[in-house]
Amino acid sequence: AQSVTQLGSHVSVSEGALVLLRCNYSSSVPPYLFWYVQYPNQGLQLLLKYTSAATLVKGINDFEAEFKKSETSFHLTKPSAHMSDAAEYFCAVSDNTGGFKTIFGAGTRLFVKA
Amino acid sequence: KAGVTQTPRYLIKTRGQQVTLSCSPISGHRSVSWYQQTPGQGLQFLFEYFSETQRNKGNFPGRFSGRQFSNSRSEMNVSTLELGDSALYLCASSLRQSTGELFFGEGSRLTVL
Repeated sequence: AQSVTQLGSHVSVSEGALVLLRCNYSSSVPPYLFWYVQYPNQGLQLLLKYTSAATLVKGINDFEAEFKKSETSFHLTKPSAHMSDAAEYFCAVSDNTGGFKTIFGAGTRLFVKA
Repeated sequence: KAGVTQTPRYLIKTRGQQVTLSCSPISGHRSVSWYQQTPGQGLQFLFEYFSETQRNKGNFPGRFSGRQFSNSRSEMNVSTLELGDSALYLCASSLRQSTGELFFGEGSRLTVL
């Protein structure tokens, strides 16, 4: 069965600093990996997704993630944090053995300091 | 293109009551998934429907049930509510659930007193 572990329930960065949110996955077959963002009182929206076409995936708002099979990781990065990036971020995994479900990590809340 | 619509957005119930939540997916999407979100447990998968068939179910008691109609709209029902059922219930639609992007509604926030 697939699973996702997000390291760090809270991450705090200064505005303009690098954002790094960590995600490790477990899957018995090549996975589909996603990062979603959730702003207060809203549903989740997709930032980016990995579907085996390329290991470095670019998403919206300058976020990107790199799939590393050897490390079973899919960390999310952004070169320069903005105040508007403050939100909760979820890593998710899906694969064809999961029986039509996407599993989410526990989430990482990103704080951006002025 | 209209997004995923969930109703009601907020509701308050008392223990022992039941509740029905509704979800209208994006036009053309035939897969609807439901998740329960709580501060302690995060996002927990409830179930997924495709063309009126439940294809997968999470580890929730039988008090949690759902269905999907021929127009892809979905409902979930929780009977005999418990305090621990207080949560944000999120619905997501997709063209192909297993590998595709999920489009989420804003959720229905249930408070059980």
